[in-house]
Amino acid sequence: GAGVSQSPSNKVTEKGKDVELRCDPISGHTALYWYRQSLGQGLEFLIYFQGNSAPDKSGLPSDRFSAERTGGSVSTLTIQRTQQEDSAVYLCASSSAGLTSSYEQYFGPGTRLTVT
Amino acid sequence: GENVEQHPSTLSVQEGDSAVIKCTYSDSASNYFPWYKQELGKRPQLIIDIRSNVGEKKDQRIAVTLNKTAKHFSLHITETQPEDSAVYFCAASIPNSGYALNFGKGTSLLVTP
Repeated sequence: GAGVSQSPSNKVTEKGKDVELRCDPISGHTALYWYRQSLGQGLEFLIYFQGNSAPDKSGLPSDRFSAERTGGSVSTLTIQRTQQEDSAVYLCASSSAGLTSSYEQYFGPGTRLTVT
Repeated sequence: GENVEQHPSTLSVQEGDSAVIKCTYSDSASNYFPWYKQELGKRPQLIIDIRSNVGEKKDQRIAVTLNKTAKHFSLHITETQPEDSAVYFCAASIPNSGYALNFGKGTSLLVTP
């Protein structure tokens, strides 16, 4: 079946502009996560959605970052007034989060964001 | 917040040898510990995971051990092959965050023929 998809695959933007990154999770997965991966670094947790519940925003690095998830499916991560330090690969993952016996997170291909 | 420390950052072994990667975590409430493999330019993929109620798990050439008291866990790869070359990440679940993960910084494993 289809895996997690993300768009765009690459985004180059000027400092100060806003960007929107999209994630389509695996159908039926109730949990959705956003991470970012800076060059040569591990993944940094940003935000978590479970179904239609209010998200866990504890990982967001600043109030310039926000995310929403419509209808318990597609999610959009928005970064306002982008800064050069926002340059990274933004990865989305989805999971059945224990509704089955698995907690495995399936990752999308990521969006590479470059802020010039 | 939760810290996950991972060592070594790079590891080079000869084909057929074993490789061991070690991680420690700080929050005793973490209860899920996956390992991901990431090849260059690709997405991370789960290779093995372990829950906190289990001390060891094995899947063919890969095994993971967990010491809850010491808050550390390790990945063991036996009979390494060149296709095992990749970056490996350990992770620990963030308590009360729906199994969101804190990741280590990764180990770049190179298996030479």
